[in-house]
Amino acid sequence: SQTIHQWPATLVQPVGSPLSLECTVEGTSNPNLYWYRQAAGRGLQLLFYSVGIGQISSEVPQNLSASRPQDRQFILSSKKLLLSDSGFYLCAWSPNSVSPLHFGNGTRLTVT
Amino acid sequence: GDSVTQMEGPVTLSEEAFLTINCTYTATGYPSLFWYVQYPGEGLQLLLKATKADDKGSNKGFEATYRKETTSFHLEKGSVQVSDSAVYFCALSDKGGSEKLVFGKGTKLTVNP
Repeated sequence: SQTIHQWPATLVQPVGSPLSLECTVEGTSNPNLYWYRQAAGRGLQLLFYSVGIGQISSEVPQNLSASRPQDRQFILSSKKLLLSDSGFYLCAWSPNSVSPLHFGNGTRLTVT
Repeated sequence: GDSVTQMEGPVTLSEEAFLTINCTYTATGYPSLFWYVQYPGEGLQLLLKATKADDKGSNKGFEATYRKETTSFHLEKGSVQVSDSAVYFCALSDKGGSEKLVFGKGTKLTVNP
């Protein structure tokens, strides 16, 4: 069966520090991969999605970037975190564009 | 652009009470509609979906009907349980599936014994 792993579960980082969140999917190949963020008082916002290795689409301009170095690995990064980057980050995958999303358990990021 | 509006939470109910969580949407064309649920400490899970007008999605005793005339997809359950305590998200996709899902803000439900 397919599983999605996302880590760390919680993270506290100072303003200006770098960020790297990792997400991996097991038990499938060539999945669509997604990064969502839920900021306080707001709904889930799609940040990035990828349909293949090295193919990244960005939905909103921001301080973050994403990379897909391997088929089942999706990384969310920042060179310098801002206070506004605090939030709950969720990775998700789907086998194709018409199937529902499967989410990881999320990372709670607090920028201080 | 597309958007989803959910009723403000939190919602607190007693066990066996009737639940309604309102959801309305704005979209061009004919989107697919979804309800996702997030149990404490877990990621989101698909609860139910509907892909065209008048479709009814159902799962685990929950139901929602795609109402094109009122652009709504309200979530209902006749008798809630303590185990239904979670955050519920309404979402739409104008591409029919998982691409570019647009989510509402979520509604936190607490069911007391």
